[in-house]
Formats: sequence, C-alpha cells, structure tokens
Amino acid sequence: DTAVSQTPKYLVTQMGNDKSIKCEQNLGHDTMYWYKQDSKKFLKIMFSYNNKELIINETVPNRFSPKSPDKAHLNLHINSLELGDSAVYFCASRRIQGSNEQFFGPGTRLTVL
Amino acid sequence: AQSVTQPDIHITVSEGASLELRCNYSYGATPYLFWYVQSPGQGLQLLLKYFSGDTLVQGIKGFEAEFKRSQSSFNLRKPSVHWSDAAEYFCAVGARYAGNMLTFGGGTRLMVKP
Repeated sequence: DTAVSQTPKYLVTQMGNDKSIKCEQNLGHDTMYWYKQDSKKFLKIMFSYNNKELIINETVPNRFSPKSPDKAHLNLHINSLELGDSAVYFCASRRIQGSNEQFFGPGTRLTVL
Repeated sequence: AQSVTQPDIHITVSEGASLELRCNYSYGATPYLFWYVQSPGQGLQLLLKYFSGDTLVQGIKGFEAEFKRSQSSFNLRKPSVHWSDAAEYFCAVGARYAGNMLTFGGGTRLMVKP
C-alpha cells in the first residue's frame, strides 16, 4: 500500500548515458514533483507537474525532462548524464484541493561514474 | 522569491532534554510552512504543517512548532528528545498557488547523546 514509489532505488551509470527514474503514486493526487538532494543534503525543486501545467525550475538543465504517461506517474528522463548529476532524486505528490501536504517517495540514489 | 534559513547545521542534545530547531523564512504573504524529518537513507516524512489558524501546531512523534509572523519564524520543538529522533530535519515553505513547489532550508542534523 505504498503511497509514492520510485524505481530504481539505486542507479549507477557512466557519464554520457541516458537514464530514467520512474515514480508512481496511488493517492489519487493531482500534482507531482521532482526534487534533487545533493551530497550536502540540500533539497531543491526541479519540476512541478499536473495534467495542465508544467512548471520548471529555471536552474534545471534541459537534459532533464519529466514525462507523465498518466495522472499517477511522473518519470524523470536524464540525457547525457554528467558527474554533477549524482544525487538523490525524490518524487512527491499532492492533491490540489484540501491539504497542501506533499507526500514523498523513498528516493533514488543516482551515481554517475 | 521565497527562501528558508535553518541557522543550525548540527545540534547535539542529551536524551530526555528539550529541543528547539530554528527556521526563518522569507515570503511575501502568509506561507504554508512544513517540517519534514529524514532518517539516514530514507525519504522525507512530514512532522507537521501550518496553513492558517492557531499558530501553535502539533505534529507526530511529540513535535510541535510555532508560527511567529513578526519574526518570520517557524521553530520546531520537542519537550523530551528520544534517541530515535536523531535524523536530519528540514523546514520548508510552500507558495499559496497551484504549483506550490516547496523551498527547503539547508537542514539541521540532530544528534542525540545517551
């Protein structure tokens, strides 16, 4: 009965590769997010997405792109991976109406060699 | 633009002692405010949140926080710390619009001495 799940939990890859991280929420929420947590534990928003609107943090390189096949999924695609992309990526979701609380997934630790 | 400052990077307290973690925010209007906890290797769990109304909010695990508009603060407190409270604590502010992307502080690592 996991609320927000991410796969894989760990991802190790070479520089220059293209990879994807998947996120699924079974909460019936309207909006999903991707956050990046760097090695110093600093958390930064990357994207906010619902079926009407994608909001991109302007500091995110265009090598990163969110893709939503349906309302319950928001996958993160990363092209031409760089060493600096190594981080923990968290997916989150929220219902627009009512509580403004975001529920977070367990995170995906990406290591770029 | 909204921002959050957690002035203390590390805090060490003895088990059973009281705890206060500081959080200051910058936002143009009344914000949504949150405290999340992250145990090592884990995701983020919501401790408590403030949207409106009573400025003293109660959360899980015996935590509480007080919203002080005049000081732009939302400090987290617990009267008696348990060893299991050792973790990283994040304060966050959310804008009151549909996107509501959270802006996090840098986090405070809490260590608990036996």
